[in-house]
Amino acid sequence: QKEVEQNSGPLSVPEGAIASLNCTYSDRVSQSFFWYRQYSGKSPELIMSIYSNGDKEDGRFTAQLNKASQYVSLLIRDSQPSDSATYLCAVNIIEAGNNRKLIWGLGTSLAVNP
Amino acid sequence: EADIYQTPRYLVIGTGKKITLECSQTMGHDKMYWYQQDPGMELHLIHYSYGVNSTEKGDLSSESTVSRIRTEHFPLTLESARPSHTSQYLCASSTRQGGATFGSGTRLTVV
Repeated sequence: QKEVEQNSGPLSVPEGAIASLNCTYSDRVSQSFFWYRQYSGKSPELIMSIYSNGDKEDGRFTAQLNKASQYVSLLIRDSQPSDSATYLCAVNIIEAGNNRKLIWGLGTSLAVNP
Repeated sequence: EADIYQTPRYLVIGTGKKITLECSQTMGHDKMYWYQQDPGMELHLIHYSYGVNSTEKGDLSSESTVSRIRTEHFPLTLESARPSHTSQYLCASSTRQGGATFGSGTRLTVV
């Protein structure tokens, strides 16, 4: 079982709808969680960081973290065609020596249809 | 304005050549990473570093080496390029607990 799991999609939503992206992780002591957006042919871009349970909102984006259930989600409100991209979930896990290593999900492809 | 720089942006090179991909960041981040990514595919960690004089192997490191002599600089070297090395190489940096910032990448083609 991969340490960070995402549905590969594609997730297709109509313009203006809410897109919901989910990510589960296996390391119970993880403390840092990230959502990235990657357009085709481009580098991943950090769009949300979340460190504590609950919701964190930034514009049309809301990240939700539930450490007890080991999942983190990303909601995109009022989805636009320009939101069409692959969304990557990343989790900082603790390695030996108290070092932290970033573990990535495979990404969910989102298509927003006009 | 980019805070993490990768050069060259594109590179076409012959089989057997030695190449070094450059990566520099101006954010003072301790952690740096090299990833390989083919179009539409997942990120594969090649090497990473926790700080100066620290280097660790990732999943695909066996045919490349890195060095971290200065905080801001993390070059990746392929001793003998092969067509199977054709891919996009992404450099990133982060604070200890923070998210990673990526460079624009180097698209390598080995002919």
